Amino acid sequence: DAGVIQSPRHEVTEMGQEVTLRCKPISGHDYLFWYRQTMMRGLELLIYFNNNVPIDDSGMPEDRFSAKMPNASFSTLKIQPSEPRDSAVYFCASSWTFLDRDEAFFGQGTRLTVV
Amino acid sequence: LAKTTQPISMDSYEGQEVNITCSHNNIATNDYITWYQQFPSQGPRFIIQGYKTKVTNEVASLFIPADRKSSTLSLPRVSLSDTAVYYCLVVGSARQLTFGSGTQLTVLP
Repeated sequence: DAGVIQSPRHEVTEMGQEVTLRCKPISGHDYLFWYRQTMMRGLELLIYFNNNVPIDDSGMPEDRFSAKMPNASFSTLKIQPSEPRDSAVYFCASSWTFLDRDEAFFGQGTRLTVV
Repeated sequence: LAKTTQPISMDSYEGQEVNITCSHNNIATNDYITWYQQFPSQGPRFIIQGYKTKVTNEVASLFIPADRKSSTLSLPRVSLSDTAVYYCLVVGSARQLTFGSGTQLTVLP
């Protein structure tokens, strides 16, 4: 398996535009996590899915953020409209079970810059 | 929600043992502690996970004292390639996930 695949690796967009980040988890993994990393706030869990169902989205900062997982091999994180404070590295991770018994495999991340 | 505290940075020399401590004062009884390593421009990578006492794998050891208010990641005989940021993660029994702020380890020749 190629691991968790995220696209794009880098995204530069103007304030107000819609941004869509994509993730392909490792085949067979039942859990998928979206994280955001900034210097100020470190690693923050935004949302996680179990068997394609969103379980906890309490980390999603506001209604401008939405995430979907239409099938076991694909997930998206959308920001609409984007703002400069959304600039960060967004990571997707997947695992077989929840992280209290398992390790998460992270993708390479998407570096988002909103100007 | 458990809060974690880690040193911001540490320096070491090649071949030395490095111990990085994470404080988690209000960890719940069933919480696990996990450590991740992150290199620049990469996602975090799992190192080790434990619940109590000591866990050892091929790359590290994890020590968790009886009061479980802290945990220590031990890296034996570090090399230059171990220079990275190390995060502790507390996984709560109610499925809360709390990452530490990370410790920048710099290994010097």
